[in-house]
Amino acid sequence: DTGVSQDPRHKITKRGQNVTFRCDPISEHNRLYWYRQTLGQGPEFLTYFQNEAQLEKSRLLSDRFSAERPKGSFSTLEIQRTEQGDSAMYLCASSLAPWDRGSGEQYFGPGTRLTVT
Amino acid sequence: GNSVTQMEGPVTLSEEAFLTINCTYTATGYPSLFWYVQYPGEGLQLLLKATKADDKGSNKGFEATYRKETTSFHLEKGSVQVSDSAVYFCALSRLISSGLTFGEGTQLTVNP
Repeated sequence: DTGVSQDPRHKITKRGQNVTFRCDPISEHNRLYWYRQTLGQGPEFLTYFQNEAQLEKSRLLSDRFSAERPKGSFSTLEIQRTEQGDSAMYLCASSLAPWDRGSGEQYFGPGTRLTVT
Repeated sequence: GNSVTQMEGPVTLSEEAFLTINCTYTATGYPSLFWYVQYPGEGLQLLLKATKADDKGSNKGFEATYRKETTSFHLEKGSVQVSDSAVYFCALSRLISSGLTFGEGTQLTVNP
């Protein structure tokens, strides 16, 4: 098991461009989460999936953000018409559902650092 | 809504000193509580957890006790090492709403 992986690790884009990030969770995990972390702050929850179903979206997730998990395995997070305020580290995490085992502890990937110029 | 408040940092200690990082929370029901650690240049790692009142989580010499009466989950270590230098995040989750709510993080620097 290689843990949670994210691609790319770094992305620099110009304001107004669209970007897409990918997350591959731990293979047996049925839950997948996206967070955003700005410098000096704790991660902020964006959305999560149970298998392929998107079950919750934070108010932080504006209409320009969309996430998918089409086959219940990897997930993508797309940001349309990027703004400078979107510059942050985007973190992906995975877990088992709490009723499957454990307390729902989440395992994080290394993150994708987005810089919007 | 849910929230987590951590003691303000940064915290600087000498090696072998005693560490306490305070964490208090606001949540309805009975959340699970976590401490995550972020070492320089690395991703978030789960350090320890507690799922019900009076549970004590422990790992790598760190401990934290789930205190429902004071809504706290303070992190302690009896003797810190230089290698403990990192950012520590307190977090909570509720079964129904699965996103973790994090505190702001506390930067710890341990000097030799």
